[in-house]
Amino acid sequence: GDQVEQSPSALSLHEGTGSALRCNFTTTMRAVQWFRKNSRGSLINLFYLASGTKENGRLKSAFDSKERYSTLHIRDAQLEDSGTYFCAAEAGYNQGKLIFGQGTKLSIKP
Amino acid sequence: NSKVIQTPRYLVKGQGQKAKMRCIPEKGHPVVFWYQQNKNNEFKFLINFQNQEVLQQIDMTEKRFSAECPSNSPCSLEIQSSEAGDSALYLCASSPKDTQYFGPGTRLLVL
Repeated sequence: GDQVEQSPSALSLHEGTGSALRCNFTTTMRAVQWFRKNSRGSLINLFYLASGTKENGRLKSAFDSKERYSTLHIRDAQLEDSGTYFCAAEAGYNQGKLIFGQGTKLSIKP
Repeated sequence: NSKVIQTPRYLVKGQGQKAKMRCIPEKGHPVVFWYQQNKNNEFKFLINFQNQEVLQQIDMTEKRFSAECPSNSPCSLEIQSSEAGDSALYLCASSPKDTQYFGPGTRLLVL
């Protein structure tokens, strides 16, 4: 079936540095969402993209439907960025059903 | 971020018992989704509604679960006869059109 492969599964960064998370799709997706799971376990919306790039503060995301991937870039990481990040993609024919990646556990160290 | 309300937050049931959870979507969101998240962070779509109508559901939901989204009442998801493998976090999400906004979930433990 349709799959979303998210990498890396875990990432450790020092405060002030940056990195990128990536999701590859096995099929053409209509849109992608990125979430962060907060300390209370709730999924916080970061981005919704149907194409192109979006930026919000220190976060930037890109989605290329044709090349079947999406990325989430974090710059100037802060301690509060720690958590588990998920991408979730929507196939065009699936009436909105999201297919989630496996998650990336991000740890920010002082 | 999200105004989706889910109750109860925690639910403990014995095998064979019914387990019912509720979701109040954000006002103005006509589409509601239910997902199951297991302890390995794997998400499984269960069912979605547009207003009161089922759009799509998986086989498991059709056979062992009952779900509804009546007008002017919370949406609900009920497992008719709980199994140990149903222990998971059940997430409700609502959407105005595209973006899905998730509630905090109901954590079900089936003993």
